[in-house]
Amino acid sequence: DQQVKQNSPSLSVQEGRISILNCDYTNSMFDYFLWYKKYPAEGPTFLISISSIKDKNEDGRFTVFLNKSAKHLSLHIVPSQPGDSAVYFCAASAALYNFNKFYFGSGTKLNVKP
Amino acid sequence: SQTIHQWPATLVQPVGSPLSLECTVEGTSNPNLYWYRQAAGRGLQLLFYSVGIGQISSEVPQNLSASRPQDRQFILSSKKLLLSDSGFYLCAWAGASPSTDTQYFGPGTRLTVL
Repeated sequence: DQQVKQNSPSLSVQEGRISILNCDYTNSMFDYFLWYKKYPAEGPTFLISISSIKDKNEDGRFTVFLNKSAKHLSLHIVPSQPGDSAVYFCAASAALYNFNKFYFGSGTKLNVKP
Repeated sequence: SQTIHQWPATLVQPVGSPLSLECTVEGTSNPNLYWYRQAAGRGLQLLFYSVGIGQISSEVPQNLSASRPQDRQFILSSKKLLLSDSGFYLCAWAGASPSTDTQYFGPGTRLTVL
């Protein structure tokens, strides 16, 4: 049962434009969400997080938006750069899981064209 | 600062051979530890997690096993590899605090079973 879904396996964006990556979840108990970036043959690196008490979190060019009623979060990258080309995973967890069990989406491959 | 190590980086093994992948974490105590697998074109699948020495939880039935002989050491093993065990194996750690900590990933091991 996929509790975190990334329905777009790939996304292509022109350099300088906005990239919007989407993620949906089904478990209403999730209260902490993360985005990871992964290059081929490397481990994912943490990008940005958001807790359910907020609906927006910014870090430089990266902004994560959380819509709890829709069980939806998105990652905005503005402006997109060729170095942003990677696979992006969203992940979610719940405080009741006292062992930091994270559920990952299947990833979206972002290609930023020069 | 904390670091996580995985070895080997790449491994080619014949079907039916044993497997041992090792993961160690430095700079933190009593971390939660995780093994994930990313099969070709797929997302991250949680295989095992551990909240302490000797405490292993399995997420999916498979011919793999995990052990945690020391606080910061996590080992993934198999007695007989299958072709379907090929993939990219990732170890991750997180702090013991519930839900507010991020998972940090190692560099991964590329396993090819022939």
